[in-house]
Amino acid sequence: DAGVTQSPTHLIKTRGQQVTLRCSPKSGHDTVSWYQQALGQGPQFIFQYYEEEERQRGNFPDRFSGHQFPNYSSELNVNALLLGDSALYLCASSSQNTEAFFGQGTRLTVV
Amino acid sequence: QKEVEQDPGPLSVPEGAIVSLNCTYSNSAFQYFMWYRQYSRKGPELLMYTYSSGNKEDGRFTAQVDKSSKYISLFIRDSQPSDSATYLCARTAGGGNKLTFGTGTQLKVEL
Repeated sequence: DAGVTQSPTHLIKTRGQQVTLRCSPKSGHDTVSWYQQALGQGPQFIFQYYEEEERQRGNFPDRFSGHQFPNYSSELNVNALLLGDSALYLCASSSQNTEAFFGQGTRLTVV
Repeated sequence: QKEVEQDPGPLSVPEGAIVSLNCTYSNSAFQYFMWYRQYSRKGPELLMYTYSSGNKEDGRFTAQVDKSSKYISLFIRDSQPSDSATYLCARTAGGGNKLTFGTGTQLKVEL
């Protein structure tokens, strides 16, 4: 079992650009959540996808959007990047009544 | 007031010491509590998961929940240098709902 896999592991973008991050959930999991972790902080919930729809959303602007595919994998898109979007982006997968398992994260640097 | 409060540390202890890590939370609606361990530049790894008051043991780790005082603790016995990491407490309403994290406590176990 490969667990939760995220790609890419690192990337550098310029302010104003757009970025897409990808996540494949753990086998048997159908729910994907995305978190943003700034340096020295705990992860902050962005949103959650289940059955290809956004089920819950945290306090993030509309520049953050996502998608879930029929195979349960997911994408996080961020438009009009700001310097403050620099962070570790974490994907977590789960299924009904199971705990969440996290991937290794994508480290995004906005310059 | 943050929903989950956690002392960021850093906390430095000698090898073999008993470590006590603590969090407080403000919303008593949430019934599920977790402890995650995060090594530098890695994703969080689930250590302990509990949904009731009292103690739960797993090897050298004990999670304690006191719902009357809204206090959760993680104890590490016989601490090892490999325990050096950031420990994140989290709570959720359960059933695959979003996790709310504390800021994390950085622990260093020294030889």
